[in-house]
Order: sequence, then structure tokens, then C-alpha cells
Amino acid sequence: DQQVKQNSPSLSVQEGRISILNCDYTNSMFDYFLWYKKYPAEGPTFLISISSIKDKNEDGRFTVFLNKSAKHLSLHIVPSQPGDSAVYFCAAGGETSGSRLTFGEGTQLTVNP
Amino acid sequence: EPEVTQTPSHQVTQMGQEVILRCVPISNHLYFYWYRQILGQKVEFLVSFYNNEISEKSEIFDDQFSVERPDGSNFTLKIRSTKLEDSAMYFCASQGLDYEQYFGPGTRLTVT
Repeated sequence: DQQVKQNSPSLSVQEGRISILNCDYTNSMFDYFLWYKKYPAEGPTFLISISSIKDKNEDGRFTVFLNKSAKHLSLHIVPSQPGDSAVYFCAAGGETSGSRLTFGEGTQLTVNP
Repeated sequence: EPEVTQTPSHQVTQMGQEVILRCVPISNHLYFYWYRQILGQKVEFLVSFYNNEISEKSEIFDDQFSVERPDGSNFTLKIRSTKLEDSAMYFCASQGLDYEQYFGPGTRLTVT
């Protein structure tokens, strides 16, 4: 299942700098996108979402950008903090209640002090 | 802040045995899900549940799997006869009136 793909398995950034995590999708039926953060031995924690009718959504240090024509979304974290070190999953679904989510492989973000 | 809880955190069982994984969704949520993540693989959808019936299930969710909401708070996943390949982290999720799904901490199922 390659419908949602995160091509970078890992990313390392310095504290205070920007982290940019990328995600590509192939299914044009997806119209809702979410980012989750996951620590080892814990479940995914919801971070931020975006509807396909928007191209940007911002929540504090987290901003998600959506480029529908390119079927690409990205998560920007600025400034990055050591506590942001985790695996970040991109997920996609329909903008209807009860819609399944399709996940990417995840990107391990390491923020170095 | 309300959260999804799951029990047990780790379940070890022998091949062929039945297991029941339990979840307590967020109290005012209406939609419930099970996902699993086999080690080194993606998080995969298993089943969604609404209004006391299955809304959607994946090809993974065969006759060996069943879900139930036996009371107003619990949501369970039963695997009737476990196989080695059922070993995975199983995550329960719930969703309210928005489209965000909130996940529990997971149950690690080990089938020996």
C-alpha cells in the first residue's frame, strides 16, 4: 500500500531551527490530512490536520502545508525543541466521519540540543 | 484532558488461543476504530465501528476478528484463533464530531 508515502525515514536538526517533514500521496480521493507524533511504546498523538479546501493550517509552532496539485503535504516545526524528537506520521482519509486513515511509514525526527 | 485507554498493555498468548483486547474510547465520541502496526511496518486500518455496527473493515479483518461494544464505555477486539502473524501493536482510536481520530497507547500482542 503506497498511497501515502514519507520518503525520509529520518531527519536530524539543531534546536531552534526549522524541521520540515514531507509526505506524498497518490489517492486523489483523500480530502483530509493529519499529522501524528509517536514516542516509543505509546500510541500516535494527534498534532494538526488540514482539509483539502485549505493550503495551510497553523497551530503554535506547527504548520501544515498542502499542495493538492502536487499531492504533497509538509509539516513545519519552528523553532524545533529536543522534546519534539519522535516519529512523525502523516495520515490521510476522507472528510467524513468514520473514514479510515491511511498512514505513511513515519519519519524519525531528532532535535539536537 | 480526555484520552483513550487500552488494556492490557502487553498480552502474550499461544498460537490458536483467543484474545480480547479492550479499549475505553473518549466518552462523547461516536466512531471507534482498531488499527495495528506490525514491527517495522506501517500502521494499518482494521475496522471502524459506529452505532453498534461495523462501518468498514479492511481485508485484514477476516472471520477470525470481531469487534463489540458490550456496554456504554468499552470497545473490544477479539481474535478467535491467534496466529504468529497476528503479533503486532494494536491501537484503538475514537473520533467525535470533527475528523480527528485520537489513539490509545496500544496493546502489544505477542503470539508464540
